[in-house]
Amino acid sequence: GESVGLHLPTLSVQEGDNSIINCAYSNSASDYFIWYKQESGKGPQFIIDIRSNMDKRQGQRVTVLLNKTVKHLSLQIAATQPGDSAVYFCAENSGGSNYKLTFGKGTLLTVNP
Amino acid sequence: EPEVTQTPSHQVTQMGQEVILRCVPISNHLYFYWYRQILGQKVEFLVSFYNNEISEKSEIFDDQFSVERPDGSNFTLKIRSTKLEDSAMYFCASREQGAKTEAFFGQGTRLTVV
Repeated sequence: GESVGLHLPTLSVQEGDNSIINCAYSNSASDYFIWYKQESGKGPQFIIDIRSNMDKRQGQRVTVLLNKTVKHLSLQIAATQPGDSAVYFCAENSGGSNYKLTFGKGTLLTVNP
Repeated sequence: EPEVTQTPSHQVTQMGQEVILRCVPISNHLYFYWYRQILGQKVEFLVSFYNNEISEKSEIFDDQFSVERPDGSNFTLKIRSTKLEDSAMYFCASREQGAKTEAFFGQGTRLTVV
């Protein structure tokens, strides 16, 4: 079936380290991918997106890499801070213009001071 | 900064009762969505709404559910005859025109069916 999943359910890093969160997807027709951050009791917050015609996109302290050959998506967070502690979801748009997002299970990132 | 607002933040209802979850999307947005997240599980798509009609819905969104945009600002999700398994966080989201624009999510309504 079509799914988006995460390899690691939890990730613990030291403050200042770089974090890498991975995601696998199986719908080769998906053309748009998003990373969301969710803090406890809050809704998903957009971090960064990437279109399928790109391999890499950078934002402020975050980079998303897309490998369409192996259907893999990753989020890199540079100089991780305690405020980055949250659950991170990757999501793919499997609905074309209807923007039907399929979310992965989520990775809990814990940043230790 | 514009945001999607949802009310109430927490709703407790008895099994079999009807509930209406309310959302005020960002004002210039044209696409509206409902998602839900059962505790400890991933966020699941329920329905998308555009131009005053449902554009897509998931298998979860059965006849028990309905959506409405009763005026120019509100977007509601009605759940008739609630079941215990409807207990979840319900998120409303909206986005601008364009297939590749991001969706902004509200803070969610926690629905507890007892």
